[in-house]
Amino acid sequence: SAVISQKPSRDICQRGTSLTIQCQVDSQVTMMFWYRQQPGQSLTLIATANQGSEATYESGFVIDKFPISRPNLTFSTLTVSNMSPEDSSIYLCSVDAVGETQYFGPGTRLLVL
Amino acid sequence: TQLLEQSPQFLSIQEGENLTVYCNSSSVFSSLQWYRQEPGEGPVLLVTVVTGGEVKKLKRLTFQFGDARKDSSLHITAAQPGDTGLYLCATHPSGGGADGLTFGKGTHLIIQP
Repeated sequence: SAVISQKPSRDICQRGTSLTIQCQVDSQVTMMFWYRQQPGQSLTLIATANQGSEATYESGFVIDKFPISRPNLTFSTLTVSNMSPEDSSIYLCSVDAVGETQYFGPGTRLLVL
Repeated sequence: TQLLEQSPQFLSIQEGENLTVYCNSSSVFSSLQWYRQEPGEGPVLLVTVVTGGEVKKLKRLTFQFGDARKDSSLHITAAQPGDTGLYLCATHPSGGGADGLTFGKGTHLIIQP
């Protein structure tokens, strides 16, 4: 299994500002993923973060709004840029493991006022 | 994109009762995963089913994968308050393990003592 931590665990931000969320894994992993979970909803994949290459974004998500870094095999960041109240969500990172299992971090709870 | 339909969306029952939740798709699943998410945490993998007709048991939880691999069910026997949470089914849309997951909308389950 993999142990994943995220920082911050929660934040309240003003509209128009940006927030960078960090994801740290206790072991080296190839694939890292970022998801959004809007209030009371399920998870939606934002992008896949590969070390050494640009992130791959899903339909409806763009790099200018959600820039991602993946500087090494244990760390990634997701920035939520120019925030609006509609960005209020839980943002989760996950990593792949042996086979098809994914492990999730505890999430970052973001409220935009 | 493969769509996963989960039902029911909400379920509230008394402790000791049995329940079943469902996950369906119009397409064949390469594999299907069931997760449980408790408030304030990320989803935790319960089981992965791969073979049509497969049945897996995890204590009081029984998971079935349809023969045609288009549907799955989760049955809980003698539900307990600790079973409360959001139950999510998920699959890899491309069929492989090297991509992010597509989730169903989830079943919000409340077990009342």
